[in-house]
Amino acid sequence: EVKLVASGGGIVQPGGSLRLSCAASGFGFSSFTMNWVRQAPGKGLEWIAYITGAGTTTYYAASVQGRFTISRDNVNSTVYLQMDSLRLEDTAVYFCARGRSAAADDFWGQGIQVTVSS
Amino acid sequence: QSALTQPPSASGSPGQSVTISCTGTSSDIGGYNYVSWYQHYPGKAPRLLIYAVNVRSSGVPDRFSGSKSGNTASLNVSGLQAEDEGHYYCCSYGGRSVPRLFGGGTKLTVL
Repeated sequence: EVKLVASGGGIVQPGGSLRLSCAASGFGFSSFTMNWVRQAPGKGLEWIAYITGAGTTTYYAASVQGRFTISRDNVNSTVYLQMDSLRLEDTAVYFCARGRSAAADDFWGQGIQVTVSS
Repeated sequence: QSALTQPPSASGSPGQSVTISCTGTSSDIGGYNYVSWYQHYPGKAPRLLIYAVNVRSSGVPDRFSGSKSGNTASLNVSGLQAEDEGHYYCCSYGGRSVPRLFGGGTKLTVL
């Protein structure tokens, strides 16, 4: 069974940092791209970061470019999202998702809350 | 690139059909056959319904179908059921550095 379990969320002050983790199981982790997608309160889904299976290529949405870093550990089947210089508008539920062919994501984690507040 | 454009709401009675549109540009929807659709209930993980414009994901009933014409993609839900009520998002590939571009979402209400 494919499972994606996110952790590391919480409350942080503006300008602070947080690292999210997404532990994967039930599939050959290194063979799949991974994405982070978020949903701010009352808003829709927003893609924010992508990483290839080998971890050699990453892409970011303009809203997080230069502040967030996606990485992965294929030995421990975990993808990370390092979030620095956090802003109020980064408050959202963050989802990790497994990429499949045709630029779609077929399995999603349960979502984890990140709140940026002073 | 801007988000794809979806109507904020759609509705239909049980048993009826409803179509949700998703409009992009030639740089995303019109340029690739990589449109996907997701069903999302509050507090839950999104569920992949359709990928590659019109391919149903595993376990998705054939009441759900996808299509594309030019820069606009569509999700059709036929034989509406109460459990179809929720939010629906389209997503397109937008080029190598924009692997995912979501629509704003459509809230589907089953009357």
